[in-house]
Amino acid sequence: GAVVSQHPSRVICKSGTSVKIECRSLDFQATTMFWYRQFPKQSLMLMATSNEGSKATYEQGVEKDKFLINHASLTLSTLTVTSAHPEDSSFYICSAGQGAGGELFFGEGSRLTVL
Amino acid sequence: GIQVEQSPPDLILQEGANSTLRCNFSDSVNNLQWFHQNPWGQLINLFYIPSGTKQNGRLSATTVATERYSLLYISSSQTTDSGVYFCAVALIGAGSYQLTFGKGTKLSVIP
Repeated sequence: GAVVSQHPSRVICKSGTSVKIECRSLDFQATTMFWYRQFPKQSLMLMATSNEGSKATYEQGVEKDKFLINHASLTLSTLTVTSAHPEDSSFYICSAGQGAGGELFFGEGSRLTVL
Repeated sequence: GIQVEQSPPDLILQEGANSTLRCNFSDSVNNLQWFHQNPWGQLINLFYIPSGTKQNGRLSATTVATERYSLLYISSSQTTDSGVYFCAVALIGAGSYQLTFGKGTKLSVIP
């Protein structure tokens, strides 16, 4: 299957700082990537759809100014959590697929802890 | 939006036992995937199965799209099968990549 890689896997930051998480498709090009968020013992919730060369589409209730998404190339999408607060602490995971429709593959996830 | 229900929410098995996990969904889909989330949080793709039956080793899955459900079978369970199993679907015409996840089944396999 296709490989999606995320970095960093864990990050701890102070309240008020910004954190950037990278999502890369290693062996294929992805015009669309997806960012999910998972709280402890809960399911994954879609945050936004990242589109190469255009603005991201955010799900209802997700603050676009808090969670900045940039999809500058066909193999890289970044999620920046701006002015992070403890309530932003969560597991963030990205996904991508190889074409229109079909199987999605997920990155390893990034665990953010905001102190 | 589409509703995805998984059952049972929790399952405890003795090593070597078989189990069936179920996923019901409320609308027609063109993508259905089963995942295993390991203790480190990584989602492992098990099956991409919008319809039909597939098998991979001790695991198999069946999706009956017309009746809006999918089943994941685990045979001869091992302790390494422990973790959370998620079913996720995408609506026809809604962008088949926008997966909606069920709440998962937490499986514990004890020696």
